[in-house]
Amino acid sequence: DSGVTQTPKHLITATGQRVTLRCSPRSGDLSVYWYQQSLDQGLQFLIQYYNGEERAKGNILERFSAQQFPDLHSELNLSSLELGDSALYFCASSPRLAGGPTDTQYFGPGTRLTVL
Amino acid sequence: AQSVTQPDIHITVSEGASLELRCNYSYGATPYLFWYVQSPGQGLQLLLKYFSGDTLVQGIKGFEAEFKRSQSSFNLRKPSVHWSDAAEYFCAVGLNNAGNMLTFGGGTRLMVKP
Repeated sequence: DSGVTQTPKHLITATGQRVTLRCSPRSGDLSVYWYQQSLDQGLQFLIQYYNGEERAKGNILERFSAQQFPDLHSELNLSSLELGDSALYFCASSPRLAGGPTDTQYFGPGTRLTVL
Repeated sequence: AQSVTQPDIHITVSEGASLELRCNYSYGATPYLFWYVQSPGQGLQLLLKYFSGDTLVQGIKGFEAEFKRSQSSFNLRKPSVHWSDAAEYFCAVGLNNAGNMLTFGGGTRLMVKP
């Protein structure tokens, strides 16, 4: 158990819909990262938040957005869903903003999104 | 931009045999290097990491990896594989800058024969 929790575990929805995925980081971690794992794209970094502020963006679609709240939990919002958005979405957390010997990312169990 | 290549998509080894999973990275400086394992239906678990210093790093579950700068490689090894090691293994590169995202390789699926 990494200490990172994600809800829900599974989500099934229809095209065009909007969903929200939730992540609670490890106690004390200030950075939260979102990754998408799909069969065709592999594991891709989406976005990073640090202490409530967006700090880095990867291959995140404009239909997707995220935020980190004062209690440090984060939500990933996916809208106008398409079949191709079906994937496993991981949240990870680390203590600090930038890399370093102690700043390892610990991953949650993921949320499996199925778009029908 | 940095990239990570795991040349072997699938590897099958017999239980008790040795294992080496290959990982090559492309980056202008020495990156931070990681190996993660993903068991079926599970999240990613960190096996080991390299930041600096001794190029041979030890991890959990009996795994080790060796950083070779000249070959831009960070191969994962285990002297004797157990059936429970069957999983997907991911090599990743991290950068020491603002925006500490990881770039992952495509993964290697390990199957273990009895």
